[in-house]
Amino acid sequence: DAGVIQSPRHEVTEMGQEVTLRCKPISGHDYLFWYRQTMMRGLELLIYFNNNVPIDDSGMPEDRFSAKMPNASFSTLKIQPSEPRDSAVYFCASSLKWTGELFFGEGSRLTVL
Amino acid sequence: TQLLEQSPQFLSIQEGENLTVYCNSSSVFSSLQWYRQEPGEGPVLLVTVVTGGEVKKLKRLTFQFGDARKDSSLHITAAQPGDTGLYLCAGVLSVSNDYKLSFGAGTTVTVRA
Repeated sequence: DAGVIQSPRHEVTEMGQEVTLRCKPISGHDYLFWYRQTMMRGLELLIYFNNNVPIDDSGMPEDRFSAKMPNASFSTLKIQPSEPRDSAVYFCASSLKWTGELFFGEGSRLTVL
Repeated sequence: TQLLEQSPQFLSIQEGENLTVYCNSSSVFSSLQWYRQEPGEGPVLLVTVVTGGEVKKLKRLTFQFGDARKDSSLHITAAQPGDTGLYLCAGVLSVSNDYKLSFGAGTTVTVRA
C-alpha cells in the first residue's frame, strides 16, 4: 500500500506569495494531521481532521494559515501571505484512530525568502 | 515549554557502544510512542508502550515505560551507523474526556563508524 503522499517536496517562494501544500492520506485512515517541524520548536500539531471534519485547529499560528479536507483522500494546507518565519518542514500524517500510530509523509520543506 | 522533556538533546557515539535516551514529564500518560526520523523523511513508529513498568524489545532496542507512566527510556545496545537519526517520544494524555498527543523535542543520535 502507498503511504502518505505529500507534494511538493520542496518549495521556495518569496514573502507575500501564497503557498499550498497537498496531502493524500492512507486509504481507510479516518484521521489526518498537519504538523510543522523546526529546529527551534520541534514538531508542532497545526490541525487535525476526523472523517474530513476539522476537529482542532488551535495549533494554527494565525489567520494566514488555513486547511481543508474536501474528501477522504485529499487535504491542503494554505499559507497566504507567506512570511520568512513560516519556513519549516510541514508534515502530513494519517492514522486509523486518534491515539494510534501516526503514518507520516516525507514532508514538504518550505523556504520563504 | 515542552510537556515531554527529552534528554540528551544530542548524542554522538562510536559504533558498538551503548546509549540511552530519556523522555520525562510531570504528567501521567495513557500510552507513549517512540518514533525515529531519518534525514529528509517523516518519523516512523518504533514502539508503543501502554502499561506502567512495561518493557519492550525490538532487536537491539529496549523501551521501558516508567511505573508511574510519567517517563520512558530507550536503550540501544551495540549501536550501528543505521541507528543514526532523531528519536522522538510522544505521549498520549487524557484531557477532559479527550486525548492529546504531544511530542518531545527529540534526541539526535549519531553513530560513527
